[in-house]
Amino acid sequence: LAKTTQPISMDSYEGQEVNITCSHNNIATNDYITWYQQFPSQGPRFIIQGYKTKVTNEVASLFIPADRKSSTLSLPRVSLSDTAVYYCLVGERNTGFQKLVFGTGTRLLVSP
Amino acid sequence: SQTIHQWPATLVQPVGSPLSLECTVEGTSNPNLYWYRQAAGRGLQLLFYSVGIGQISSEVPQNLSASRPQDRQFILSSKKLLLSDSGFYLCAWSVTGGGNSYEQYFGPGTRLTVT
Repeated sequence: LAKTTQPISMDSYEGQEVNITCSHNNIATNDYITWYQQFPSQGPRFIIQGYKTKVTNEVASLFIPADRKSSTLSLPRVSLSDTAVYYCLVGERNTGFQKLVFGTGTRLLVSP
Repeated sequence: SQTIHQWPATLVQPVGSPLSLECTVEGTSNPNLYWYRQAAGRGLQLLFYSVGIGQISSEVPQNLSASRPQDRQFILSSKKLLLSDSGFYLCAWSVTGGGNSYEQYFGPGTRLTVT
């Protein structure tokens, strides 16, 4: 399983764009990159997934460079409710199901 | 729509007592099921996963066990709890096979405190 490294914490203000970078130097050819969000005392929630280049949905964008050794989750115009822990994961596809390895994540604090 | 239930929501148990946590999924068939544990301030640790009835794989050797007696029911058990078993236990499900998706759907969790 590819190990991921991301900042322990980040601070931002309402209305700003937040970019959280994750490194995964040992990512395998068939691995996908996935991001989850977790609020206190709740289970994680899927945000976005990508393989290469850029993926965008209604919540966030995911930027993946050509070498795929890192990825950046971009949250546009954050609000107080975006305060949460964000996990970067690299999925193992060979087993036929989703075996996810969660690290300690990045704790994002959004202030007024 | 699919929903996932876990109970109880909170539990306080003495060391050495047994444990049974239950998870059920509605609105889908033959899901992959997972048990995770999250210690305070830590990331999630995958404990068990199941791809079908009676099929359980363990990720971490410990005094916990899991069973899947029905397609959409997943149970986490212990015969004798340890202090180190305290944590936030999360059940999750995903679509069988999943294709290219790594989306797992998590339940509300059970907060277990072993005293």
